[in-house]
Amino acid sequence: EAQVTQNPRYLITVTGKKLTVTCSQNMNHEYMSWYRQDPGLGLRQIYYSMNVEVTDKGDVPEGYKVSRKEKRNFPLILESPSPNQTSLYFCASSLSPGIATGELFFGEGSRLTVL
Amino acid sequence: KNQVEQSPQSLIILEGKNCTLQCNYTVSPFSNLRWYKQDTGRGPVSLTIMTFSENTKSNGRYTATLDADTKQSSLHITASQLSDSASYICVVSVNTGTASKLTFGTGTRLQVTL
Repeated sequence: EAQVTQNPRYLITVTGKKLTVTCSQNMNHEYMSWYRQDPGLGLRQIYYSMNVEVTDKGDVPEGYKVSRKEKRNFPLILESPSPNQTSLYFCASSLSPGIATGELFFGEGSRLTVL
Repeated sequence: KNQVEQSPQSLIILEGKNCTLQCNYTVSPFSNLRWYKQDTGRGPVSLTIMTFSENTKSNGRYTATLDADTKQSSLHITASQLSDSASYICVVSVNTGTASKLTFGTGTRLQVTL
């Protein structure tokens, strides 16, 4: 089954404790991206990757890191989490987001709480 | 500034009724417009994708329209079902050349009741 898998789905952590949210897709997609969703703000892009070893900042990259060592994986790293990073995070992938058929497939989300 | 505005913010309708959700955007240069359905606690799922030249696109009981001149889109849901209860998100794509930038609306929360 074609899917984007995120882990963990739920996480409660404390300020400053490094954490990684993993994302994996099995559709051989070139493009992968991370978003955060907060009430009243909609989805905002954190980082994206057009291909292996190519990553770029989105709209809200501060406090986050990513890597794309393999095509299928795109982990999101919070080196020193802070309470304002409490949010619902989504990973997404696409063959390409630009063309008409560039459908974006989302994972199920990871709800992160930073105390 | 690229923006996508959706209305209403929330809507409650009776099962079996029709409804229309609105999306206005100020995005340039426009590439395509997408509607997503997001069930509570789940990831968004694509309903339709429309390019500049497409006026209408259907997906079952969902019909999206696009007026590129007025920069407006609507999502019409026919004969609503309880399972239609969800947030509906309008997303507009800007083609930057090397990649596309997606601008998300904040969504319309639809509740279908008995």
